[in-house]
Amino acid sequence: DADVTQTPRNRITKTGKRIMLECSQTKGHDRMYWYRQDPGLGLRLIYYSFDVKDINKGEISDGYSVSRQAQAKFSLSLESAIPNQTALYFCATSGGSRLNEQFFGPGTRLTVL
Amino acid sequence: GQQLNQSPQSMFIQEGEDVSMNCTSSSIFNTWLWYKQDPGEGPVLLIALYKAGELTSNGRLTAQFGITRKDSFLNISASIPSDVGIYFCAGRGTDGGSNYKLTFGKGTLLTVNP
Repeated sequence: DADVTQTPRNRITKTGKRIMLECSQTKGHDRMYWYRQDPGLGLRLIYYSFDVKDINKGEISDGYSVSRQAQAKFSLSLESAIPNQTALYFCATSGGSRLNEQFFGPGTRLTVL
Repeated sequence: GQQLNQSPQSMFIQEGEDVSMNCTSSSIFNTWLWYKQDPGEGPVLLIALYKAGELTSNGRLTAQFGITRKDSFLNISASIPSDVGIYFCAGRGTDGGSNYKLTFGKGTLLTVNP
């Protein structure tokens, strides 16, 4: 079974809709991250959380919000989706003695029409 | 902010050839990581490096943490078709305020012709 899972894997939505992407992990890690990936731009950090009560903005948080419902769950919301939020979204986790080693989920491909 | 320059952007090689790619930074990094991403999947951690000069292998892959702490190299020996994918470097800088944050290179797309 995958250690980091993301749902849905694919989503097509319309401009203005509210969208939630979910991430769950069984690695027991405290730290969780949301990234987006665009062709030619690499991975960019949206939000990160060091524990259930800790939420921090990353490089590109505008237009996004997050919720850390439990140690194992971290969701990303687009309150009002716009076409330039079309991208691949990845959740990642890290923890234990090697906090810099991030482990990624399989990704969600989001298309906003 | 810190930036990583990863090169080459893409490579086309024949099966059996060796491959080299690298990442450079204008600032010092404390940790270097190398990831591989298959189409439609998330990046998978290949190798982590924690000391300047460190040389670490994972099967046919070998990575090095540059002595200047501003660069890292990944070599793949005797490439096979399943090596196809995008390889990313990532680093953690020395800025205490960014101890959470990895900086990612933009990736090297590797194509292996059988």
